[in-house]
Amino acid sequence: ETGVTQSPTHLIKTRGQQVTLRCSSQSGHNTVSWYQQALGQGPQFIFQYYREEENGRGNFPPRFSGLQFPNYSSELNVNALELDDSALYLCASRGRGLTGTEAFFGQGTRLTVV
Amino acid sequence: AQSVTQLDSHVSVSEGTPVLLRCNYSSSYSPSLFWYVQHPNKGLQLLLKYTSAATLVKGINGFEAEFKKSETSFHLTKPSAHMSDAAEYFCVVRIYSGGGADGLTFGKGTHLIIQP
Repeated sequence: ETGVTQSPTHLIKTRGQQVTLRCSSQSGHNTVSWYQQALGQGPQFIFQYYREEENGRGNFPPRFSGLQFPNYSSELNVNALELDDSALYLCASRGRGLTGTEAFFGQGTRLTVV
Repeated sequence: AQSVTQLDSHVSVSEGTPVLLRCNYSSSYSPSLFWYVQHPNKGLQLLLKYTSAATLVKGINGFEAEFKKSETSFHLTKPSAHMSDAAEYFCVVRIYSGGGADGLTFGKGTHLIIQP
């Protein structure tokens, strides 16, 4: 149990639709990052939020966007869904200001695009 | 740029025998390295981390890893495998981008199979 919860656990969407995934961070953690894990692959870094602002991004197009709220919970939004967006989406939270701070992962949201 | 390469996509060992999962990294400066484990239908769990302190790092469940700068390696070992160790293992390096952000770069994973 990591204290990071994601919702929903599973989701099916149609190509072209929009989706919002949610993450509740571990208490006291002000940094959240999102990862996409395609089947049989390692997770890939999408972006990171710190104190409600995006401060880092991986190689993902702008249709992947996010929000972080004052209570440090977070959303991942994906517009114009494509079949290749089908994956497990993982949220990770951690504190800042500490060297090598551990990232705690949620169990993920399994998104299927049909 | 930082990256990790896991040298084996699958490793199969018998229960009670040693485990070796290999990882090489690429980094332009002293990296922070991690091993995570992912059991089926469960989230990622940190096994251990290296952050420029001791080069031999001990983790949970009897796992340990040795940071070897000369070989740019961070291999994961366990003296005696248990059936519950069967899972996907990821070698991970922390990456730093502009604005003070840092994400994690994962290897492609090694699937560990434990034979009874």
